[in-house]
Amino acid sequence: GESVGLHLPTLSVQEGDNSIINCAYSNSASDYFIWYKQESGKGPQFIIDIRSNMDKRQGQRVTVLLNKTVKHLSLQIAATQPGDSAVYFCAEDSGYALNFGKGTSLLVTP
Amino acid sequence: KAGVTQTPRYLIKTRGQQVTLSCSPISGHRSVSWYQQTPGQGLQFLFEYFSETQRNKGNFPGRFSGRQFSNSRSEMNVSTLELGDSALYLCATSAGFSYNEQFFGPGTRLTVL
Repeated sequence: GESVGLHLPTLSVQEGDNSIINCAYSNSASDYFIWYKQESGKGPQFIIDIRSNMDKRQGQRVTVLLNKTVKHLSLQIAATQPGDSAVYFCAEDSGYALNFGKGTSLLVTP
Repeated sequence: KAGVTQTPRYLIKTRGQQVTLSCSPISGHRSVSWYQQTPGQGLQFLFEYFSETQRNKGNFPGRFSGRQFSNSRSEMNVSTLELGDSALYLCATSAGFSYNEQFFGPGTRLTVL
């Protein structure tokens, strides 16, 4: 069936380094993707989105890249800070709801 | 502006019981979506309500139901609880149809013993 998944369950980076979180999707008809951040004890928080007619979109310290050829999505966080430690989810719009990946836990070490 | 409120935050029930969870949206938000989050399955869509009508439904058994009131507050109910229903139940509310305008609540942690 259709699915959204993440390559790595955990990622540890040093403060100040750049982080890259990857996501694979299988529904080639998907045209809208979102990255969420979930901190402990909180609900997911919208970070950035991208539509399938784009390859790249930038926000504040974050960039999302979309490669439709290989159905791959990535989230890049520049100059990672301790406050970036959280679980990150990619999600695709199924048309009436979001299909979420399992999540990647990002740990920022000093 | 107050955020999305979910009550209770924590709940412990035993198998066979039923439970009702509540979600109060941000003022002006008329859409309320419910999700179940578990370590094994991740975040899964349950259903979405808009103006007191269920617009969309995920792939969950009939034991999971919901409703929305005229003030947009929503409740979800799970009957005949099973151990596998232990999860974090999240609601997300929005005014319109854009996910970048959708905000999640902190969730209700349900433990079924």
